Amino acid sequence: AQSVTQLDSHVSVSEGTPVLLRCNYSSSYSPSLFWYVQHPNKGLQLLLKYTSAATLVKGINGFEAEFKKSETSFHLTKPSAHMSDAAEYFCVVSDRTNTGKLIFGQGTTLQVKP
Amino acid sequence: KAGVTQTPRYLIKTRGQQVTLSCSPISGHRSVSWYQQTPGQGLQFLFEYFSETQRNKGNFPGRFSGRQFSNSRSEMNVSTLELGDSALYLCASRWGTSTDTQYFGPGTRLTVL
Repeated sequence: AQSVTQLDSHVSVSEGTPVLLRCNYSSSYSPSLFWYVQHPNKGLQLLLKYTSAATLVKGINGFEAEFKKSETSFHLTKPSAHMSDAAEYFCVVSDRTNTGKLIFGQGTTLQVKP
Repeated sequence: KAGVTQTPRYLIKTRGQQVTLSCSPISGHRSVSWYQQTPGQGLQFLFEYFSETQRNKGNFPGRFSGRQFSNSRSEMNVSTLELGDSALYLCASRWGTSTDTQYFGPGTRLTVL
């Protein structure tokens, strides 16, 4: 069965410093992995998607993630945090054996301090 | 292209009532999935419809049901509402295959009193 674990429920950074949100996955085959972001009272916005092409995936707003099969990780990074990055971030795996339904991690709240 | 739209955005109901939520997918998308988001359980898959047929279902009681119309618009219905049904209900659409990206609407916030 597929699953994702987000290792931090809350991350706090200062504006202009790097962001690292950690995610480990479990999958019996090569997974499709995603990062979505949710701003307060909003729906989910796709940040980036991994589907077994390049292991380093670039997304919107300067975010990127690296797929590491040996570590079963898919951590999200950004070189310099902006106040507008404050939101909740979800690491997600697609269960391709089950019509591609999405399985979500518990989420990481990113706080950006001025 | 217009994004996924959901109506209404906010709903307040009382226990025992029923409610219907609506979702209009991105033009050309044939698959619509529904998810429930609560602080305690996080985001959980409810069901997916593809070409008017339920293709997959999560672990929710039969009070939760849905349907899809020929224009791919979808509705979900919750009967005999319980306090625990208070949640943000999110709809996502995609073209159709299991590897397609799902795009989410803004959600419907349901409060059950």
